[in-house]
Amino acid sequence: AQTVTQSQPEMSVQEAETVTLSCTYDTSESDYYLFWYKQPPSRQMILVIRQEAYKQQNATENRFSVNFQKAAKSFSLKISDSQLGDAAMYFCAYRSAQMMGSNYKLTFGKGTLLTVNP
Amino acid sequence: KAGVTQTPRYLIKTRGQQVTLSCSPISGHRSVSWYQQTPGQGLQFLFEYFSETQRNKGNFPGRFSGRQFSNSRSEMNVSTLELGDSALYLCASSRGIDSWNTEAFFGQGTRLTVV
Repeated sequence: AQTVTQSQPEMSVQEAETVTLSCTYDTSESDYYLFWYKQPPSRQMILVIRQEAYKQQNATENRFSVNFQKAAKSFSLKISDSQLGDAAMYFCAYRSAQMMGSNYKLTFGKGTLLTVNP
Repeated sequence: KAGVTQTPRYLIKTRGQQVTLSCSPISGHRSVSWYQQTPGQGLQFLFEYFSETQRNKGNFPGRFSGRQFSNSRSEMNVSTLELGDSALYLCASSRGIDSWNTEAFFGQGTRLTVV
């Protein structure tokens, strides 16, 4: 079974600064997807960024980028120019790329609560 | 395009009762997954439905069940409620027919409180 670990329960950053959230995972599969989701107080989970394991290039979405290290099974999220609206719980998630069985099941880490200080 | 709609948003039930939660996926999405979110256990996968069939199931007791209708709307049911069932229940919808088209869109959840 796959596991996802987020070792930082809480992080804080100053507005306009950069912060990196850590995530490690364990899997025996070679093909999979990794995601970062954001959950603000409104509770709705919002996809921030995704990475396909077969792609060596790190994904980037505006101020959000990842550092994907497949051999180390590490998938960190970097938020640049942090804004007050970035304050939320961030979850790292894993999904198998298999067509059958465990497909579409997301395995989540425990989350990191990000505070942005003005 | 309308998002994922979960109803009701809040529920208070008594131990021993049963409850039904509803999820309407994004139009055209055929996969609906359910997750339980608690402070202690985090987000845990309950089950996934695709074209009215349960395709995957998490490690939850048989009191938790679900179904999907021909219009892809899904319901989950919890019978004989326990205090520990108090949680935020999230529904996620996906196209469900390709491995590569991976994005899951979440609803705002149903907050269930068991007293």
